[in-house]
Amino acid sequence: DAGVIQSPRHEVTEMGQEVTLRCKPISGHDYLFWYRQTMMRGLELLIYFNNNVPIDDSGMPEDRFSAKMPNASFSTLKIQPSEPRDSAVYFCASSPTTQNTEAFFGQGTRLTVV
Amino acid sequence: QKEVEQNSGPLSVPEGAIASLNCTYSDRGSQSFFWYRQYSGKSPELIMFIYSNGDKEDGRFTAQLNKASQYVSLLIRDSQPSDSATYLCAVIGYSTLTFGKGTMLLVSP
Repeated sequence: DAGVIQSPRHEVTEMGQEVTLRCKPISGHDYLFWYRQTMMRGLELLIYFNNNVPIDDSGMPEDRFSAKMPNASFSTLKIQPSEPRDSAVYFCASSPTTQNTEAFFGQGTRLTVV
Repeated sequence: QKEVEQNSGPLSVPEGAIASLNCTYSDRGSQSFFWYRQYSGKSPELIMFIYSNGDKEDGRFTAQLNKASQYVSLLIRDSQPSDSATYLCAVIGYSTLTFGKGTMLLVSP
């Protein structure tokens, strides 16, 4: 398996534009997580899915953020409209279960909003 | 609010020395504990996990867990320059991983 695949690796956009980040989890993993990493706040969980169903989105900062998982092999994180404070590295991770197993991370998307 | 606390560092050690990284957590219901390593510009990767009180050894790495004190540590023996990275402590309570902000380790040749 190629691991968790994220695209794009880098994204530079202007404030107010819509941004869509994509993730393909490891096949057979039931859980998918979206994290955001900044120097100030570290690695924060935004939302996670179990079997394509959103379970906990309490980490989503505000209504400008939305996430979907239409099938077991694809998820998106959308920011509309984007703001400079959204600049961060966004990681997608997947795991077979939440308990007692590691989360496998994608390479991340570095988002810069100017 | 579940919290995982780590000293941000940097922790500087000479090559060949033992590096000791520490982590405390607030949720007494936490069940599983993980150490991830993150090189600059890369994604986190798992080094070790521990579930029970005591020590767990894997090569040059030893994880130590004390649930009564809500404390987890990672020891790296014979530190190498290639160990220079940020080490993230992560804890699972009832559902998901909560990460600390990480400790930067610098191993000088």
